[in-house]
Amino acid sequence: EAQVTQNPRYLITVTGKKLTVTCSQNMNHEYMSWYRQDPGLGLRQIYYSMNVEVTDKGDVPEGYKVSRKEKRNFPLILESPSPNQTSLYFCASSFEGSPGNTIYFGEGSWLTVV
Amino acid sequence: SQQGEEDPQALSIQEGENATMNCSYKTSINNLQWYRQNSGRGLVHLILIRSNEREKHSGRLRVTLDTSKKSSSLLITASRAADTASYFCGGRLGGFKTIFGAGTRLFVKA
Repeated sequence: EAQVTQNPRYLITVTGKKLTVTCSQNMNHEYMSWYRQDPGLGLRQIYYSMNVEVTDKGDVPEGYKVSRKEKRNFPLILESPSPNQTSLYFCASSFEGSPGNTIYFGEGSWLTVV
Repeated sequence: SQQGEEDPQALSIQEGENATMNCSYKTSINNLQWYRQNSGRGLVHLILIRSNEREKHSGRLRVTLDTSKKSSSLLITASRAADTASYFCGGRLGGFKTIFGAGTRLFVKA
């Protein structure tokens, strides 16, 4: 079954404590990205990756890091989380071979920073 | 902002009625897509309309695209309570970024 799997699904952490949200896809997709969703703001892209070792900033990259060492994995790293990073995070992936590629989303990770 | 904007932000209708949602965006998008999100869940792809298409149908869904006005609409006909969800338009910009609108929350009353 085609899947984008992200973990953890729910996390409460404290300010400044580094955390990583993992993302894995089993569809051999080249394109992967992270979004955060906040009320009234929709989905905003944090980082995206066109392929292994190729990443770039989205609209709201501050406070986040990513890496793409393997095609299937695209972890999101919060080096020093702050309360304004409390949000619902989505990982997503898609093919790059043709235009209009369907984006597949993970189920989301609820992150609370206290 | 390069984000898209959906209109209305929220829509409440009776079962059986049609629901129309609009999406506008500020920069050119390649191949606009509509997604559905059940509360707190991931987005699920509904329909794609390519830049050279003006209208597309899929079951009870009808999507239109006006590239000159940078706008699109999603029509759900004969709505059902199960259609209650948030609906987003989105697409890739000329480069590699992907943008989405803030979404329309649709509530269908049984």
